[in-house]
Amino acid sequence: DGGITQSPKYLFRKEGQNVTLSCEQNLNHDAMYWYRQDPGQGLRLIYYSQIVNDFQKGDIAEGYSVSREKKESFPLTVTSAQKNPTAFYLCATSSRTDNSPLHFGNGTRLTVT
Amino acid sequence: AQSVTQLDSQVPVFEEAPVELRCNYSSSVSVYLFWYVQYPNQGLQLLLKYLSGSTLVESINGFEAEFNKSQTSFHLRKPSVHISDTAEYFCAVRLPYSGAGSYQLTFGKGTKLSVIP
Repeated sequence: DGGITQSPKYLFRKEGQNVTLSCEQNLNHDAMYWYRQDPGQGLRLIYYSQIVNDFQKGDIAEGYSVSREKKESFPLTVTSAQKNPTAFYLCATSSRTDNSPLHFGNGTRLTVT
Repeated sequence: AQSVTQLDSQVPVFEEAPVELRCNYSSSVSVYLFWYVQYPNQGLQLLLKYLSGSTLVESINGFEAEFNKSQTSFHLRKPSVHISDTAEYFCAVRLPYSGAGSYQLTFGKGTKLSVIP
C-alpha cells in the first residue's frame, strides 16, 4: 500500500555514535523533509530536498546530514556532533504544487544515552 | 518570515462539550493554512486545509476551521467532542511557492486536547 515508511520505530544509541534513520516513500513525491519533534516545541525542520541529488538545510541542520540519491529515499544521519539527539524524528513528503499538503511517516523515536 | 502561534498548550474538555483550539499566524503575504492531528507515537495526519475560496472548511470527522484574514486566525472548532478526539493538534502555514525556498510548512507548537469522560 502507498505511503511513507520510517524505520526503525525505536532506536537506541550510545553517545558518540552516528546513527542513520531511514525514510522510504512510494507516493512518487518529489519533495521530502525531515522534522524533529520535542515536547512543547512543535516541529522543527532539519533538512529538505525538492529533487534527487539536491537538498537544503532547514532551521536546525547542525549535527545532521542527509542524502537524496533516489527519489524514494531520504535517509537522515544523526552525527555525534548533535548536542541533544534524543527526540522524535518525522519524515514527510509532498508533491511540488502549491496546494499540496505534507504527508508524514509514523516517526522514529531516537534515544541516546 | 511567517510564524504560527497556538495560544493554548493544553485544553481539557468534557466529552460532548464544544471545543475551540486557537491558531494565529503572521505573514506579510497570503498563506495556505493547515490543521494536523497527532495521536501518541504516530506521525501527523492532515485534518483540514484552507487554500482559497470559502473561509469555512470542514473535515470528515466533525471539525471545522474558519479563516479570518483581518484577525490572521484559523481557529479549529468542534461542537461536540468524543473521547477519540484526544490527541495533539498542530496548526501550520505555507507561503505560496515563489521560486525560492521550498514547499515546507511552518508549524505552531501544538495544542494537546484531552477529552474527559
